[in-house]
Amino acid sequence: SLELTQPPSVSVSPGQTASITCSGERLGDKYVSWYQQRVGQSPALLIYQDNKRPSGIPARFSGSNAGNTATLTISETQGLDEADYYCQAWDRHSHVFGSGTKVTVL
Amino acid sequence: EAQLVESGGGLVEPGGSLRLSCEASGFIFSDYEMNWVRQAPGKGLEWVSYMSGGGSDIYYADSVKGRFTISRDNAKRALYLQMSFLRPEDTAVYYCARENYCGSHLECAFDMWGHGTLVTVS
Repeated sequence: SLELTQPPSVSVSPGQTASITCSGERLGDKYVSWYQQRVGQSPALLIYQDNKRPSGIPARFSGSNAGNTATLTISETQGLDEADYYCQAWDRHSHVFGSGTKVTVL
Repeated sequence: EAQLVESGGGLVEPGGSLRLSCEASGFIFSDYEMNWVRQAPGKGLEWVSYMSGGGSDIYYADSVKGRFTISRDNAKRALYLQMSFLRPEDTAVYYCARENYCGSHLECAFDMWGHGTLVTVS
């Protein structure tokens, strides 16, 4: 079954760019979504179908997916971007979430 | 405003049962596939179960198959999760989540989440 691997943590300075990877076998053949979960809150959708943003999500958030790796990029990182981030894909009648990445804005 | 509100969580002994509910408002509930997703304390997200809008298609994670049952009542705009033979490792916040923005092959995202309800098995 599909397993999605993310780095446990990523640190970034305010105003800089953070990249979070999500790796899985032939992940590029699937659509990937990304979620942000701030402390004490429910997850919120950031990116769907690899690179599309729902209404209300800033353009600072972007996504890509090719080969075995999907990437979420956060440009011009702000303090409010400090959160846990999860990738997700559908595989053989199951939704699969990545292991999660904690983004720290130093 | 569209929202999902879960209820029914609580403390239960191992081997016990519990029924979670999720009430939807602000959108046509029957038009959407619905899921349960859980999160153990300090851990990541784990998908639990899926049900299609009309209720004909149902899927479960291997970790709950045979113990949990998902159902829905579209007239009441409600989603349910009947949990039986509960184990300590089932302790988690359980979220109700709506699917949307689907690509081919049921590749959908979760565009709406409830606030969650805590289930503690101890």
